[in-house]
Amino acid sequence: NAGVTQTPKFQVLKTGQSMTLQCAQDMNHNSMYWYRQDPGMGLRLIYYSASEGTTDKGEVPNGYNVSRLNKREFSLRLESAAPSQTSVYFCASIYRDLNTEAFFGQGTRLTVV
Amino acid sequence: GEDVEQSLFLSVREGDSSVINCTYTDSSSTYLYWYKQEPGAGLQLLTYIFSNMDMKQDQRLTVLLNKKDKHLSLRIADTQTGDSAIYFCAEIGAGGYNKLIFGAGTRLAVHP
Repeated sequence: NAGVTQTPKFQVLKTGQSMTLQCAQDMNHNSMYWYRQDPGMGLRLIYYSASEGTTDKGEVPNGYNVSRLNKREFSLRLESAAPSQTSVYFCASIYRDLNTEAFFGQGTRLTVV
Repeated sequence: GEDVEQSLFLSVREGDSSVINCTYTDSSSTYLYWYKQEPGAGLQLLTYIFSNMDMKQDQRLTVLLNKKDKHLSLRIADTQTGDSAIYFCAEIGAGGYNKLIFGAGTRLAVHP
């Protein structure tokens, strides 16, 4: 089992460029999440997907879009990157309704110059 | 909306106990979690507690939950330098939306 796989691990973008962060899990989890982590602010929820076919905004959705492509995959897209989106991004998944933990990817360090 | 709050820093002497506190606002919380993050690494689950429990003990870790006050604590006994990290409290509610909300994290520094 690979758990939660995030790609890429590092990325540098120029202001205005677009990119998609990929996340896949092989644990048959129904809920998936995207967070950003900034110093002193913990993990802030960008978007989440309670189940396949549904997505909802979290605390800081502006500037992002998501796609729950299927049960395994949940991608995060930056259409026009801004320096304020420089952060570390984490994807997570959980099997809701079971006594289980949320599993995290290793993170994507994104720098927008 | 839901909110989770933690103090940002805690400094303890090696061998002492550490207590990290967390408060949350979502009265429908079902599971509450403690995660550990070491520098440059991802998040590692330490322990979790279901909302119908008051206490959970796992080796050096003790979790206390006061559901009435919406207060969660993590006690680390015999704190070691390897325990230096950021500790995150997180909660997930009972509603169908499955939001998993984190606190800002408590940086634990262990000194000799």
